[in-house]
Amino acid sequence: DAGVIQSPRHEVTEMGQEVTLRCKPISGHNSLFWYRQTMMRGLELLIYFNNNVPIDDSGMPEDRFSAKMPNASFSTLKIQPSEPRDSAVYFCASSLTVGNTIYFGEGSWLTVV
Amino acid sequence: GIQVEQSPPDLILQEGANSTLRCNFSDSVNNLQWFHQNPWGQLINLFYIPSGTKQNGRLSATTVATERYSLLYISSSQTTDSGVYFCAVEWDTGRRALTFGSGTRLQVQP
Repeated sequence: DAGVIQSPRHEVTEMGQEVTLRCKPISGHNSLFWYRQTMMRGLELLIYFNNNVPIDDSGMPEDRFSAKMPNASFSTLKIQPSEPRDSAVYFCASSLTVGNTIYFGEGSWLTVV
Repeated sequence: GIQVEQSPPDLILQEGANSTLRCNFSDSVNNLQWFHQNPWGQLINLFYIPSGTKQNGRLSATTVATERYSLLYISSSQTTDSGVYFCAVEWDTGRRALTFGSGTRLQVQP
């Protein structure tokens, strides 16, 4: 079975540009999570969805960040406008439902210059 | 929110040695998982262990939920065990998503 699939794997963009990160969860999984990893803050939850509905977005840093899950097999995380401090690895993860084993994608490595 | 503390922060071992990594958490949890992040950045789930003991090959884990800690044991370490080990917990009265500790960075030398 395919794991969690993220794209792009690497992106370098200029400050002020819009960035869209994409995620396809494992088929049949009902919960989807977006995490961000930086040296300073470690792994932090940005937002999670259950059955395509955003449940907790308290980790989204500011209004420049938005996330959607239009269907069970696709989610996006958008940053507009991007800033250098957004440089990080963004991970998508999924689980059968909340409280179950969670599986991570390979991450999207974002650099904003 | 819940606090998750991992120790030691860094560990260097010779190949073949055993080690114990610790995770302390500040409140009751209903979900605890251990992950290994390899040098290429991939996060691999090792154990789902809200309580009790599990073993998988050279790795085993024990969670004592009533005392708010979990241990990860690595026996006969290999260079491929190098990377960062994370403990993550789900607070049983808070949001239903994992909060991660800051990790233990393990380096196994040949």
